[in-house]
Amino acid sequence: EVQLVESGGGLVQPGGSLRLSCTASGFTFSRYWMHWVRQAPGKGLVWVSRINSDGTTTSYADSVKGRFTISRDNAKNTLSLQMNSLRAEDTAVYYCTRGAALTEYDYWGQGTLVTVSA
Amino acid sequence: SYKLTQPPSVSVSPGQTASITCSGDELDDKYTCWYQQKPGQSPVLVIYQDTRRPSGIPERFSGSNSGNTATLTIRGTQTMDEGDYYCQAWDSSTWVFGGGTKLTVL
Repeated sequence: EVQLVESGGGLVQPGGSLRLSCTASGFTFSRYWMHWVRQAPGKGLVWVSRINSDGTTTSYADSVKGRFTISRDNAKNTLSLQMNSLRAEDTAVYYCTRGAALTEYDYWGQGTLVTVSA
Repeated sequence: SYKLTQPPSVSVSPGQTASITCSGDELDDKYTCWYQQKPGQSPVLVIYQDTRRPSGIPERFSGSNSGNTATLTIRGTQTMDEGDYYCQAWDSSTWVFGGGTKLTVL
């Protein structure tokens, strides 16, 4: 059974940093692109970042470029998102997702809540 | 940046057909997928590559994509189908979501 389990969310002050992790199981992690998608309270889904299967290429939404860094450890089946210079508008549930064959996400984690507030 | 537009809400009576649209420039040049999200839960993929259903998704869910509009159709809608639905497509190395449509079955 495919499982994606996020951790690392919490309350952080504006300008602070947080590191999210996603532990994958039930599939060959190293074969898949992985993504982070976020959802602000009561709002819609927004793509944040992606990383290719071997970790050599990444891309980011403009809203987080230069502040967030996505990475992966295929030996540990772990995806990470380092978030720096956090802003109130980064407050959201962050989902770890598995990229399927083309453009869709076939599995989602349960999400981890990040709250940026003084 | 590319934009996908969905109606904020759609209402349907139980047993009837619900249609949720997703509009974007030359959308039929891209693959569109759809997610269902129920309150407090993670999204679930219900349609991918415009028309394909993942295993475990009921046959009453179907999709189409023509011109500038993709459509998610739910035939014989059930109360369990209530929730938010999001379309998604890929454009220029970014993954774009529509704003979401709240489906009410009453």
